[in-house]
Amino acid sequence: EPEVTQTPSHQVTQMGQEVILRCVPISNHLYFYWYRQILGQKVEFLVSFYNNEISEKSEIFDDQFSVERPDGSNFTLKIRSTKLEDSAMYFCASKGGYHEQYFGPGTRLTVT
Amino acid sequence: KNQVEQSPQSLIILEGKNCTLQCNYTVSPFSNLRWYKQDTGRGPVSLTIMTFSENTKSNGRYTATLDADTKQSSLHITASQLSDSASYICVVSESSGYALNFGKGTSLLVTP
Repeated sequence: EPEVTQTPSHQVTQMGQEVILRCVPISNHLYFYWYRQILGQKVEFLVSFYNNEISEKSEIFDDQFSVERPDGSNFTLKIRSTKLEDSAMYFCASKGGYHEQYFGPGTRLTVT
Repeated sequence: KNQVEQSPQSLIILEGKNCTLQCNYTVSPFSNLRWYKQDTGRGPVSLTIMTFSENTKSNGRYTATLDADTKQSSLHITASQLSDSASYICVVSESSGYALNFGKGTSLLVTP
C-alpha cells in the first residue's frame, strides 16, 4: 500500500541553525501539508500546498518557515533559524481525493 | 475561534470491553469530521470520515456517530484489544479552507 515517507526520523540541531525536513508524498497526490505536534500537545496545522504554491498557512508558519516541492516527488519544510520552541514532531501529509489525508511517520526535531 | 474538545482526556479499560469517546466542536462552516488513531511516536491514521449528511459510519470494531445539529461526535470501540491502546483524535475541517482542526485526543490504554 502506498505511504508517505519522511526523513530523517530524528533531527538534532543547534539553535539558530537551518534545518530541512523532507517528505515523499504518495505519488499521485496533489495536495500536501505540514503539521507539527509539540510533545504532549495537539497536532497543529502549519501549511498546505497545491499546484506549486501555498494555498493556506497558519499563524505559526512565519517568515522563518518555507516549503518547496523541488523535483516533483519531494516536499520539504525549511526552518531558517531554529528556536528552542521549534522542537516538535513534524508530520507531512498528502491527499489525492476529496477528503482523505495520509500522514507520514513524522520527523522528531530537537533544537538544543 | 474554531475549537475541537474531546473527552475523556484519558481512559483505561480491560481487554474485551467496549468504550465510547466524545468530541464536541465549534468549527464553522463545517465540512467533515474525522477520527484518527495515533500510536506513540507515529503519524495519525484515519479511522472514519463523515460529512454533515452522515450520522454513523463503521470501520471494523470502530463506529463513529455525528450529530451536526448539536456539533457532537462519538467513537465507539467494540471488544477492545491491547493494540487499541493509542491516542484517538477528533479532527474537523472547514468547508472554507484546507486546514484541519485537531482535538487534543483521548489517550486510551487497554489492559489485559
